[in-house]
Amino acid sequence: DTAVSQTPKYLVTQMGNDKSIKCEQNLGHDTMYWYKQDSKKFLKIMFSYNNKELIINETVPNRFSPKSPDKAHLNLHINSLELGDSAVYFCASSPLLGETQYFGPGTRLLVL
Amino acid sequence: AQTVTQSQPEMSVQEAETVTLSCTYDTSESNYYLFWYKQPPSRQMILVIRQEAYKQQNATENRFSVNFQKAAKSFSLKISDSQLGDTAMYFCAFIAPHSGTYKYIFGTGTRLKVLA
Repeated sequence: DTAVSQTPKYLVTQMGNDKSIKCEQNLGHDTMYWYKQDSKKFLKIMFSYNNKELIINETVPNRFSPKSPDKAHLNLHINSLELGDSAVYFCASSPLLGETQYFGPGTRLLVL
Repeated sequence: AQTVTQSQPEMSVQEAETVTLSCTYDTSESNYYLFWYKQPPSRQMILVIRQEAYKQQNATENRFSVNFQKAAKSFSLKISDSQLGDTAMYFCAFIAPHSGTYKYIFGTGTRLKVLA
């Protein structure tokens, strides 16, 4: 029944590790996004895929790599985790580019 | 460059009262959408209301309504009959779908606390 889901909801890991966050939407949307919300609650777009094609690639360290195996999934892989990567990461989807976005529940990442 | 400004970092309101959250934006686009999202302590981002710039009528969703002033580039959210469950961060967001950027621009948020 869930529209946009993310796993895991919480992720605690050591510096230097590699981790992935998965996102799935069952809304039939063409476009998916990754956002980072920092400790001050500021939301910043990281990536966007439209029909499995990378559309938005903001100034993000290349340790972050998105992967979209199909329209319904957009995963985020992070290499060599750093303390500053600690944040809440949100996945979102929209029917088309530029349309209303629907968010997942977020993944709280804590790097120790 | 497009910007969204929420000038009230924190607000509080008594239960059952009405509160208005402010949002201003800057754009040279004529076609755009504006949104209010709510983020309760559970951290889920929930769409509250959406306004298309070409519509003169203000959007309304139950107790939530907006005052959209296109010339003034203002988009405030009014919450009537405030409830304890309205306690949350509220984010104003803007997108110009034909600008070629396809990005939401978010404000910095207003933390609203509803008091019993």
